[in-house]
Amino acid sequence: GIQVEQSPPDLILQEGANSTLRCNFSDSVNNLQWFHQNPWGQLINLFYIPSGTKQNGRLSATTVATERYSLLYISSSQTTDSGVYFCAVGYNNNDMRFGAGTRLTVKP
Amino acid sequence: EAGVTQFPSHSVIEKGQTVTLRCDPISGHDNLYWYRRVMGKEIKFLLHFVKESKQDESGMPNNRFLAERTGGTYSTLKVQPAELEDSGVYFCASSQETGRVGGTDTQYFGPGTRLTVL
Repeated sequence: GIQVEQSPPDLILQEGANSTLRCNFSDSVNNLQWFHQNPWGQLINLFYIPSGTKQNGRLSATTVATERYSLLYISSSQTTDSGVYFCAVGYNNNDMRFGAGTRLTVKP
Repeated sequence: EAGVTQFPSHSVIEKGQTVTLRCDPISGHDNLYWYRRVMGKEIKFLLHFVKESKQDESGMPNNRFLAERTGGTYSTLKVQPAELEDSGVYFCASSQETGRVGGTDTQYFGPGTRLTVL
């Protein structure tokens, strides 16, 4: 099956700093999503981005499908950005494979 | 438009008891998925419904887990009897049908049900 690797596993930032999270995957996909799991355990869909670049406020994401990786950028981080960020990939409407996540801690 | 909803948000039961989790997908979504995250590990797929049919249940851990989707609408996931290692967060997601014009494969996730087995 598809392998998904996320890096770094843990990231600690000061408020206001920028960060880049990476997701590598082992096979062709046509579904890639980034999620933020908040402190209450809820999964929040950030981006559906099988290819290209999207931006939403302080967050942006880029997927280079041919090179099998995706990046999530967080600019001017805030304490509310803390939590675990998951990358998940899939093909058509099959199940999605999740990475192990990046745990982000933003300190005030 | 209402998102995916799950009930209950949190359930605490004793080992050996039965628990039933419910998921209401986004209206009109044929695809419904169950995932879970146990013991701080990565989120793993459990099964996939297309309408009322089980498309893929390869992720179901054992026969203590039973999923149903009555009439292709809401779905239930029953754990009977529950074991300590079943503790975790159970997520449901839904997506539009494949091949629909203008459709997308985006899976919309519910808020999850946190299951604690004591």
